[in-house]
Amino acid sequence: AQSVSQHNHHVILSEAASLELGCNYSYGGTVNLFWYVQYPGQHLQLLLKYFSGDPLVKGIKGFEAEFIKSKFSFNLRKPSVQWSDTAEYFCAVKRFSGGYNKLIFGAGTRLAVHP
Amino acid sequence: SQTIHQWPATLVQPVGSPLSLECTVEGTSNPNLYWYRQAAGRGLQLLFYSVGIGQISSEVPQNLSASRPQDRQFILSSKKLLLSDSGFYLCAWSSGLNYEQYFGPGTRLTVT
Repeated sequence: AQSVSQHNHHVILSEAASLELGCNYSYGGTVNLFWYVQYPGQHLQLLLKYFSGDPLVKGIKGFEAEFIKSKFSFNLRKPSVQWSDTAEYFCAVKRFSGGYNKLIFGAGTRLAVHP
Repeated sequence: SQTIHQWPATLVQPVGSPLSLECTVEGTSNPNLYWYRQAAGRGLQLLFYSVGIGQISSEVPQNLSASRPQDRQFILSSKKLLLSDSGFYLCAWSSGLNYEQYFGPGTRLTVT
């Protein structure tokens, strides 16, 4: 079945540690890729997106993600996390289906950063 | 600027009771509107989308229905809730079917 997989459901890090959250998708062809974040008590918001061009995408708050087409992956990275990065992170793929572009989400990864 | 509201924020309802969740968008006209559900440990699943007043498309067969009585109002309903309807319901809007979606704060529904 077509899907978006996030490998880690819960991640616990100390401040200043490096972060990498995995995301793999199973669709062929052209896809658009997104990472969304939901901070505690806040709306789900866009962190970064990839449509085309440079496969290394820079987002807000020092996050970046790399699209590797051969691996069907779009992993999220940050070299040094902060306590304020504690949130739930969702990978999503936009796929054309049923006459419109549909967002397919992964199950999410809860990140807890300890001071 | 555009804002999106959902209410209530949390809701506890018994099995068999009706449901009505509301979503409204401000600051934009003729938005595309979406209802998603996130069940525990699963990704966000698209339930319904709407491209205009009275136009609803359902993505998955279920116990829920959606309506759009006004341009910027999107309602999720059920006549009789099931335990499996528990979850986190998110409303989203976009300026077109192919554009970025913006999400509301969500409603956490617990069916007991």
